Amino acid sequence: EVQLVQSGAEVKKPGESLKISCKGSGYSFTTYWIGWVRQMPGKGLEWMAIIYPIDSDTRYSPSFQGQVTISADKSISTAYLQWNSLKASDTAIYYCARRRLAPDAFDIWGQGTMVTVSS
Amino acid sequence: DIQMTQSPSSLSASVGDRVTITCRAGQSISTYLNWYQHKAGKAPKLLISDASSLQSGVPSRFSGSGSGTDFTLSISSLQPEDFATYYCQQTYNTWTFGQGTKVEIK
Repeated sequence: EVQLVQSGAEVKKPGESLKISCKGSGYSFTTYWIGWVRQMPGKGLEWMAIIYPIDSDTRYSPSFQGQVTISADKSISTAYLQWNSLKASDTAIYYCARRRLAPDAFDIWGQGTMVTVSS
Repeated sequence: DIQMTQSPSSLSASVGDRVTITCRAGQSISTYLNWYQHKAGKAPKLLISDASSLQSGVPSRFSGSGSGTDFTLSISSLQPEDFATYYCQQTYNTWTFGQGTKVEIK
């Protein structure tokens, strides 16, 4: 079965760092882009960043450039999203998703990781 | 960024109703348009890609149409499991989602 399994919920304080993960299985991890999508409480979906695991080519939404870092370890079929200094406004559910190329779409999604940032 | 605007933001409908959701792009995107269904606490699900291509396993009551800047998602006969939030997404230039349309039970 093709699936993306994300790391569990996190509760952090403002200023702390965090790295969440997304592990792919059931397909060739290195041949599909993996993206991250944010859903803030009561809001819609926002594309954040995307990475091609085979060469770590990355793209960022202008809204998130400099705010997060996307990375991948192809040896363990895992993508990551990292913050160096969390803010309360980072409280959200974060989804990873596999990008299919033809036609372009996010065809497989992780179950989501809830991140709560509160003092 | 290409802005995507959905309407309505929410709607109330009954089981068996026909439902239509509209998505407008800020510039022409050909048919680089996808539709997703999202239920609370679940992962979003790809329904339609390339504006009108139904994904495998998605019921035929769902259909998509449009090209250029104007697109629609239709549900021919709303079923209880269809109550969810629906998002359009452009893939013409990076990826942008519409703000979502919540389909609620009347």
